[in-house]
Amino acid sequence: DTAVSQTPKYLVTQMGNDKSIKCEQNLGHDTMYWYKQDSKKFLKIMFSYNNKELIINETVPNRFSPKSPDKAHLNLHINSLELGDSAVYFCASSHPPEGIEQFFGPGTRLTVL
Amino acid sequence: AQSVAQPEDQVNVAEGNPLTVKCTYSVSGNPYLFWYVQYPNRGLQFLLKYITGDNLVKGSYGFEAEFNKSQTSFHLKKPSALVSDSALYFCAVRLSNAGNNRKLIWGLGTSLAVNP
Repeated sequence: DTAVSQTPKYLVTQMGNDKSIKCEQNLGHDTMYWYKQDSKKFLKIMFSYNNKELIINETVPNRFSPKSPDKAHLNLHINSLELGDSAVYFCASSHPPEGIEQFFGPGTRLTVL
Repeated sequence: AQSVAQPEDQVNVAEGNPLTVKCTYSVSGNPYLFWYVQYPNRGLQFLLKYITGDNLVKGSYGFEAEFNKSQTSFHLKKPSALVSDSALYFCAVRLSNAGNNRKLIWGLGTSLAVNP
């Protein structure tokens, strides 16, 4: 059973399109995250939700909008895609205070042409 | 400002030799410290963490790390490297009293290459 899953695994699209990436965790965690990893492998936090409430909102373009329909799901919608959005996007979850380490999904490789 | 430094972009070691991947941090309070590993085309995997207590923490796959408060370091070590340890290693820090701000501050990663 996959603990943190993401769909799709690969996403290739044209500039200007709108796309979504979905994340689900079956660990019973109450906190979920979105990260962006660029081509140099730099890892940057984008958003975090705790029990469906936004708690971390880093400086990202407002074309990026997270949505958490329930605490097991955190989706990322991206409007008007740009070339610079090409990256690998990782979802993660954790369950503080008992377990503060984060569990990562396999990543979604987004390529904008 | 909080920060994490991994001073080496790449570490090369021969199989069977000990390995060290360095990490230093800068925070204004007591830190929680973490090491993660990323294998090619995979997500990050948690290796180990320091919260409190014994400065030497043991983690997955035979890795360990030593918290050194005076030197603000948390170096990752393994007594005998395997080729399969070749991967990208990330150090991360969070304040212990961060409350609802659970953001990790990440290092830039160190690529470990273990040569047969």
